[in-house]
Amino acid sequence: GAGVSQTPSNKVTEKGKYVELRCDPISGHTALYWYRQSLGQGPEFLIYFQGTGAADDSGLPNDRFFAVRPEGSVSTLKIQRTERGDSAVYLCASSLDRITNTGELFFGEGSRLTVL
Amino acid sequence: AQRVTQPEKLLSVFKGAPVELKCNYSYSGSPELFWYVQYSRQRLQLLLRHISRESIKGFTADLNKGETSFHLKKPFAQEEDSAMYYCALWGGTSYGKLTFGQGTILTVHP
Repeated sequence: GAGVSQTPSNKVTEKGKYVELRCDPISGHTALYWYRQSLGQGPEFLIYFQGTGAADDSGLPNDRFFAVRPEGSVSTLKIQRTERGDSAVYLCASSLDRITNTGELFFGEGSRLTVL
Repeated sequence: AQRVTQPEKLLSVFKGAPVELKCNYSYSGSPELFWYVQYSRQRLQLLLRHISRESIKGFTADLNKGETSFHLKKPFAQEEDSAMYYCALWGGTSYGKLTFGQGTILTVHP
């Protein structure tokens, strides 16, 4: 595809339910990132994958959040026992390699999660 | 800890006027700074990076380590510059983590 693809674009769920958000990065990009953007805020780092492994998961807020990238391409962000405070736009991004000093992340359009 | 502050949530100017979007950062090391932009109904994308010292779409930004600032400037704003602008910092310790400011909505009136 031409860019980073995220599905679903919108997800409404009830408090306590389980949610999966999918990200398909640009072909050939080894680095993949998840960010979360709450209303009126800038994107906030969650987790970074280099290949199949999570190189930095320091931004995951608690153990209800988990992400995988089993084949080094598509990634899934999983949220268990959702809470109303999890409502946000979840952004996925990819890059050819790690950030270093180029800083160019290619973002998807985001998945808007609403927890009722 | 690293922090990016964009003091203006909203900024309005008229076409042809100069514009400056402010960005201040807090970081003990030597960071790399970037500006990202999101136009209406488009994805967040990189506008420019300080290390390249380039001008993109007429915008420039100078890293001032003394004032810990990285303000974005354009001498003559255009209507198509209307967008959300985010300043971002890379601290050099995590290869995945950019720290973003809260963003400034720039509106350029005709």
